[in-house]
Amino acid sequence: AQSVTQPDIHITVSEGASLELRCNYSYGATPYLFWYVQSPGQGLQLLLKYFSGDTLVQGIKGFEAEFKRSQSSFNLRKPSVHWSDAAEYFCAVGPLDTGRRALTFGSGTRLQVQP
Amino acid sequence: DAEITQSPRHKITETGRQVTLACHQTWNHNNMFWYRQDLGHGLRLIHYSYGVHDTNKGEVSDGYSVSRSNTEDLPLTLESAASSQTSVYFCARYPDRDRGHWEQFFGPGTRLTVL
Repeated sequence: AQSVTQPDIHITVSEGASLELRCNYSYGATPYLFWYVQSPGQGLQLLLKYFSGDTLVQGIKGFEAEFKRSQSSFNLRKPSVHWSDAAEYFCAVGPLDTGRRALTFGSGTRLQVQP
Repeated sequence: DAEITQSPRHKITETGRQVTLACHQTWNHNNMFWYRQDLGHGLRLIHYSYGVHDTNKGEVSDGYSVSRSNTEDLPLTLESAASSQTSVYFCARYPDRDRGHWEQFFGPGTRLTVL
């Protein structure tokens, strides 16, 4: 069965500092990987996705993520955090083109940004 | 994405009552999903459907049912609401065509409180 682990429940960074959110997955084949962001009281917005090809993917709002097959990881990064980045971030994995086609989500990482 | 709607957006009900949450999409996508979001668990799959008259159970389907009588709608019914079903519920859609190239698109969510 596939699973996703986000080891950091809560992270606090200073505005302007760099950010890395960790995501590890367990999946038997080549995964499709996603990062979603959820602002308080809001729905889910896709930040970026990896299907194949270049393992470093660029997303919206200045975010990027790197797929490392050997480490089963898909960590999210941003070089300089803005106060508006405070939100909850979810990593998700899925086949989507075969089988169940549903996503498996991590438990989320809540990001606080200090001024 | 504004083309998937959920109603109501907020609902308070009592234990034992039947509740139906609506999900409507205008993209004619065959694949639709219901997830629930709880603190510390991320999003978990309740039910999903690949098309009209097709429904399947996810990991947390006990106490829930869905029906798919047309492509646009996938209503989620709580047969007898329990306090453990207090949660935020998200509906999602996903196209059949080019399945390996799209992400899931989520609705805005329904916050359900069972007293």
